[in-house]
Order: sequence, then C-alpha cells, then structure tokens
Amino acid sequence: GDSVTQMEGPVTLSEEAFLTINCTYTATGYPSLFWYVQYPGEGLQLLLKATKADDKGSNKGFEATYRKETTSFHLEKGSVQVSDSAVYFCALKLPSNTGKLIFGQGTTLQVKP
Amino acid sequence: EAQVTQNPRYLITVTGKKLTVTCSQNMNHEYMSWYRQDPGLGLRQIYYSMNVEVTDKGDVPEGYKVSRKEKRNFPLILESPSPNQTSLYFCASSRLGEEQYFGPGTRLTVT
Repeated sequence: GDSVTQMEGPVTLSEEAFLTINCTYTATGYPSLFWYVQYPGEGLQLLLKATKADDKGSNKGFEATYRKETTSFHLEKGSVQVSDSAVYFCALKLPSNTGKLIFGQGTTLQVKP
Repeated sequence: EAQVTQNPRYLITVTGKKLTVTCSQNMNHEYMSWYRQDPGLGLRQIYYSMNVEVTDKGDVPEGYKVSRKEKRNFPLILESPSPNQTSLYFCASSRLGEEQYFGPGTRLTVT
C-alpha cells in the first residue's frame, strides 16, 4: 500500500550545520509530497510542498526536490538554527477525493548552540 | 485570525467513560479530518468529512465516531474509550484539494 518512510531520529546537529532528513515513498499514481514541521507543544505546520516530479519546494531556507526516479523527497537546509529544533514529518497525498495525508513516522531534530 | 481550535487540549479519563473532543475552524473550509499521532507511527487518519452531513472512515476508525452538523465543527466522539486510544489527536481542515491546517492537538490519556 501507499506509505512514507523517514530516516530514524533523533538527529542532533550543531548550529550552522547542514541538515538532510531522508524521505522515500511508495504510492500508486502521482502523489503530491509535503514536509510538515511540529514545534514543541504545537500542531503541524506546512513547511513546503511539491506537486509533480522535479518540482522543488522551498521555505525558510529548507528545500526538497520531488524525485520520481528514486521515489524520494529529502529535506535539506544549509545552515540550521536552534529555532529549527522540531519534529519533521514527510507526507504524501494521492490525487483522490479523500484528502488523506499519509505521514512518515516523523524525525526529531535537535540543534545545539 | 484563521485557525483550527480543539478542546480540551489535555484530558485524562477512565476506561468506558464517554468523551467528546471538539474541533472548530473559522475558515469556511469544506474538508475536515481527524488524525491520531503515536510514537513511531506518524499521524494516521481516523475520519474525514467532505462537507456538512458527509463523513467517511479513514485508516483507523474503530472506537471513534464523528458528526458534521455544521460546516465549522467536527467533533470526535469516543463512546467507550480504552487505553489503546491514549494518543495525541489532531484536527485539520482545508478547502477541497488544498493545504490542510492543523489544530494544536489534544493529548488524551485513558487509564
């Protein structure tokens, strides 16, 4: 079935380090792909998205490219800050009427000063 | 301010005692959904609604009920909660086919 797999966390980085969080997916059809961020004690916020192959989503210094050939949507940031500490979820949505998002298990990022 | 609100934010209850978690949105969204978040599993959809009086099951609907009598509200009902329903619950809403906005979450503990 349709699924999303993220790299296991937690990921601990020093401030200004380069971040990669891997995400791969399995889906029938042509999904849209998303990264959501959950700050401590808050709900999920959409960080970026891509709706078709080779699209690059970007926001707040984060980027991810929709790679159909490798079924991946890895999240990257060139220089993380302490304020980026959060849980990051990769998700897909199939082009159906249900609107259902299928989430990965989440990756906790901790950035130390 | 555009938002999705949930109440209560935290709830501790006992097995079998009926409870309702409310969800309300002020964006006139047609689509609303409930998810539960469990460690190592991410978020899984419980129920969703495409519009007033239209609801359908998600991936993990057992033990839950919902209703959509008004466009802005989508309560989640646990008729007889059990410990395996201890979880973090999120409500979300959107225009059909567009970005989903999430509420702040309700942490439920069933003892």
